[in-house]
Amino acid sequence: AQSVTQPDIHITVSEGASLELRCNYSYGATPYLFWYVQSPGQGLQLLLKYFSGDTLVQGIKGFEAEFKRSQSSFNLRKPSVHWSDAAEYFCAVGGSYNTDKLIFGTGTRLQVFP
Amino acid sequence: ETGVTQSPTHLIKTRGQQVTLRCSSQSGHNTVSWYQQALGQGPQFIFQYYREEENGRGNFPPRFSGLQFPNYSSELNVNALELDDSALYLCASSLGRGGFYEQYFGPGTRLTVT
Repeated sequence: AQSVTQPDIHITVSEGASLELRCNYSYGATPYLFWYVQSPGQGLQLLLKYFSGDTLVQGIKGFEAEFKRSQSSFNLRKPSVHWSDAAEYFCAVGGSYNTDKLIFGTGTRLQVFP
Repeated sequence: ETGVTQSPTHLIKTRGQQVTLRCSSQSGHNTVSWYQQALGQGPQFIFQYYREEENGRGNFPPRFSGLQFPNYSSELNVNALELDDSALYLCASSLGRGGFYEQYFGPGTRLTVT
């Protein structure tokens, strides 16, 4: 069955520290992979996506993610976190040609201390 | 360019009642997807509409139904509301069906069923 696992429910980092949010997926074919961010009271904003090609993808707000097929992972990273990055982060997988149904993980809440 | 809008923002209904949620897609987008996000969970795919036809459905009962209009706006209808229907309902529009197309999310409608 298709699924996405985000093992970390809540992560706390200091401003300026590096960040890595974990995502593991289960998908029968080559997946499309996404990271979204959700701030309180807001909808979801796409940070980055992977379809094919270079396994290291760059996104908005200084985020990047690396696709590792052997580990079924798509971890999100940022070298230096800003207080404004505090939010909920969701990893998602999709891949059907005919529908863009996304399967989301349960999310990781990021808290940033000054 | 206007983004995805949803109405109403908040809604309180009683168990057994019916509710209609509305979504205006982004200009030029012909595909709308609906997601349910329960508290503390990731969004779950309800269904998708492509050019006024249902194009995929998640694991939701038939009392969840939808419509897409010629201008590609959309409605989500839920009959016989249950307490577990309390959630944030997100609408997303895209340029086409298929995982390749980026989905743009609205801010959501918060439904509370008492």
